[in-house]
Amino acid sequence: DAGITQSPRYKITETGRQVTLMCHQTWSHSYMFWYRQDLGHGLRLIYYSAAADITDKGEVPDGYVVSRSKTENFPLTLESATRSQTSVYFCASSERAEKLFFGSGTQLSVL
Amino acid sequence: GENVEQHPSTLSVQEGDSAVIKCTYSDSASNYFPWYKQELGKGPQLIIDIRSNVGEKKDQRIAVTLNKTAKHFSLHITETQPEDSAVYFCAASPASGGSYIPTFGRGTSLIVHP
Repeated sequence: DAGITQSPRYKITETGRQVTLMCHQTWSHSYMFWYRQDLGHGLRLIYYSAAADITDKGEVPDGYVVSRSKTENFPLTLESATRSQTSVYFCASSERAEKLFFGSGTQLSVL
Repeated sequence: GENVEQHPSTLSVQEGDSAVIKCTYSDSASNYFPWYKQELGKGPQLIIDIRSNVGEKKDQRIAVTLNKTAKHFSLHITETQPEDSAVYFCAASPASGGSYIPTFGRGTSLIVHP
């Protein structure tokens, strides 16, 4: 099906472990984004990518790593998970970074 | 950078009433203002947007107004229904140097009581 998909839907991990959240879009949109959503903070931008092999930091990039070797994929890696990274993570894509299309989110719990 | 303030954080109305959510922005270069609706357990979805060359836009029961001089824009929902209950986010996108990365407000939780 066309669209944007995130996996896994739910993830529980322990502090210090590496975790990778996956994001795949079928529209060939140029832009892709990673946001985290926390109560009282709304949507905060972690990283974004304007095209394959081009990534840039957002508002809260510390502790996260991204890559974009293919236009359709934009994985987000937590290299050493901390409890403060417990959150709901949303991936989004857009052709011109205007109308964003969001995935269904990944709920991550770091114990 | 851009700063977007959104109010109120929570809005409770009776079914059939109108609801208004307000946002202000700081960067006068912003020229695109979308609104997103997030239902429980889902990702945000674009419901309406407006550009700086337009003062108002309507789509059935929802409308958005923009005042560029005052740097504020608002979402208006008329004849609210229980299915309008959700979190609403405003955003602003500066169009400078080819970068259109949106800045989001913190969201408004709208509760419509039957």
